[in-house]
Amino acid sequence: DTAVSQTPKYLVTQMGNDKSIKCEQNLGHDTMYWYKQDSKKFLKIMFSYNNKELIINETVPNRFSPKSPDKAHLNLHINSLELGDSAVYFCASSRSGDEQFFGPGTRLTVL
Amino acid sequence: QKEVEQNSGPLSVPEGAIASLNCTYSDRGSQSFFWYRQYSGKSPELIMFIYSNGDKEDGRFTAQLNKASQYVSLLIRDSQPSDSATYLCAVKRSGAGKSTFGDGTTLTVKP
Repeated sequence: DTAVSQTPKYLVTQMGNDKSIKCEQNLGHDTMYWYKQDSKKFLKIMFSYNNKELIINETVPNRFSPKSPDKAHLNLHINSLELGDSAVYFCASSRSGDEQFFGPGTRLTVL
Repeated sequence: QKEVEQNSGPLSVPEGAIASLNCTYSDRGSQSFFWYRQYSGKSPELIMFIYSNGDKEDGRFTAQLNKASQYVSLLIRDSQPSDSATYLCAVKRSGAGKSTFGDGTTLTVKP
């Protein structure tokens, strides 16, 4: 019974490619997030959706586009991948912004 | 000045000692305060949250909040090697807004 799941767990791709990461939560939460954690382990928020509405959009290149088809899903599409996009991407969910539950992470490596 | 600052660490304590992790924040409108633990290669997991001034205890963990000083701390009593991890402080205003994370403090408990 995974609470927050992400696919894929690992993603290795070439520069310039387009890739997507999927996230699903079965906790009944209304808010979902995407975070990026770089090699120095700093956790930075990228986007947040509340009831399918985008409420947080940090300074992120527009090559990154989130999509929330419903409250239980939040996907992240990345166009024209760059070396600097290599990181671990975490999805998380919460009930109205309370404590967050994180997915296992997707380790993206851009070659 | 960062919105949320933590001791950069690393912090090393002997087994059985008290580990003290500190966090200061700049937004006086902050209402909710969270401590997450992240083991190497894993996702962050919530260990404590605190909303009111004072102490909150949960087993070997005690969170302390002083809103006047804009300071929140986490004490770990009887530290165990299994407590070795990075501890992330997170702060948010009320509602579905974002939590702002500190850069984390890495704790090592030596047997």
